[in-house]
This record gives sequence, structure tokens and C-alpha cells, in this order.
Amino acid sequence: EIVMTQSPAILSVSPGARATLSCRASQSLSNNLAWYQHKAGQAPRLLIYGASTRATGIPARFSGSGSGTEFTLTISSLQSEDIAVYYCQQRGGTFGQGTKLEIK
Amino acid sequence: EVQLVQSGTEVKKPGESLKISCQGSGYRFTSYWIGWVRHMPGKGLEWMGIIYPDDSDTTYNPSFEGQVTISADKSISTAYLQWSSLKASDTAMYYCARIQTSDFDYWGQGTLVTVSS
Repeated sequence: EIVMTQSPAILSVSPGARATLSCRASQSLSNNLAWYQHKAGQAPRLLIYGASTRATGIPARFSGSGSGTEFTLTISSLQSEDIAVYYCQQRGGTFGQGTKLEIK
Repeated sequence: EVQLVQSGTEVKKPGESLKISCQGSGYRFTSYWIGWVRHMPGKGLEWMGIIYPDDSDTTYNPSFEGQVTISADKSISTAYLQWSSLKASDTAMYYCARIQTSDFDYWGQGTLVTVSS
């Protein structure tokens, strides 16, 4: 079973600042990695697929990078509406444990 | 417009059975896998299993195999998640999602299941 590890568990970022979230897989995924945003009271939303491709309608401030076992989600300029828990997911299977993004 | 509409909130007692549903529209239901995801209070997302509605081919997360049953009725574009004997620990929000290649691209609104005596 592939284990997905996200860090940090909680990230506090000032408005307008950059947020960098990490995801590590226990074995190589090539680029088969997706990122999701989950806001309280809403269904999760696909942000990034194929490690670096933004899903339809996702703002350009969200970007994904990485391949193999190390991946990063970057929010270039944090907005208040970006407060959520962010999850990575491997190949439509296991999710990471999530990173809770807070406003500082 | 692609939509997945899930059945409503359920309140059940331990030991009871339950079947929740997820109806797809706006796309060819039989051409995409459907996944189920659990979100327990205060916890992360957990992938439970997936089904291909055209032939009901199903794969379970080993953690959930034997605990739930995933099924589909392609004639009414609906996938199901069912329990034969609920436990308090099954209390959670359950989401269905369409799978595009390997990504969950459209999600249902969620079904809240509460199991309490």
C-alpha cells in the first residue's frame, strides 16, 4: 500500500504571502498525483491533477510541482477564501492526512 | 452540466442496515468510475472503494473490504454504498465522486450518516 505523508499538518500564512504545502509518497507515482481543497461544509474540490495541471476554473495562484515521490502545492498569494484543508491523493487512491491552511 | 446528487442525511441505530445513493447526470454514467470517500469528524479523507457502473467491477480499500458494499444500477445512473450492520464508528460524511482517469473531478454534496443509540 502506498502511504502519502503531508507536511506541515497546520500552516499559518499571512494574507498575500506564499503558501507551500508538501506531499511525499512511499513509492514513485511518476506524475499521478492530485491535490484537493476541502472547505468546511462543502464537498472537496479538485485543484491540480497530473501533479501540475490546474483543473477547470482553478485560479492561476494555485500551482503544483514535483514527480516521483516528492510533490508541492504552492499558493502564490494567499487569499482569505483559500482557508481550507488541502489533501494530496495518489492515483485515485490513498489520500494524505491533509494540511490545514490558516490565516495568520 | 455534470452533477452527482447524493441521498439525504441518515440517523440510524447501531446494528441497523443502510444504503445511500449517488445519482449522476450530465455525462455518460457508464463510462466513468465512481469512488466513495469517508470523512469522519475531525479526520482526513479516506478512499473507500471504486466501481465501474458499466460492469460493476469494484475495488475496495482493504481497510473497508467486508465492512461496506459498493454497487451500481446503470439503468438509473446511480451508485450505492451500503452497510449491513452499522456501528457508531460509521458516523461520518460520505462523498461520492466521478473519476476522470485517476482524479476525482466531480463530487456529490455528501451524505451525513449518524449512528447513535
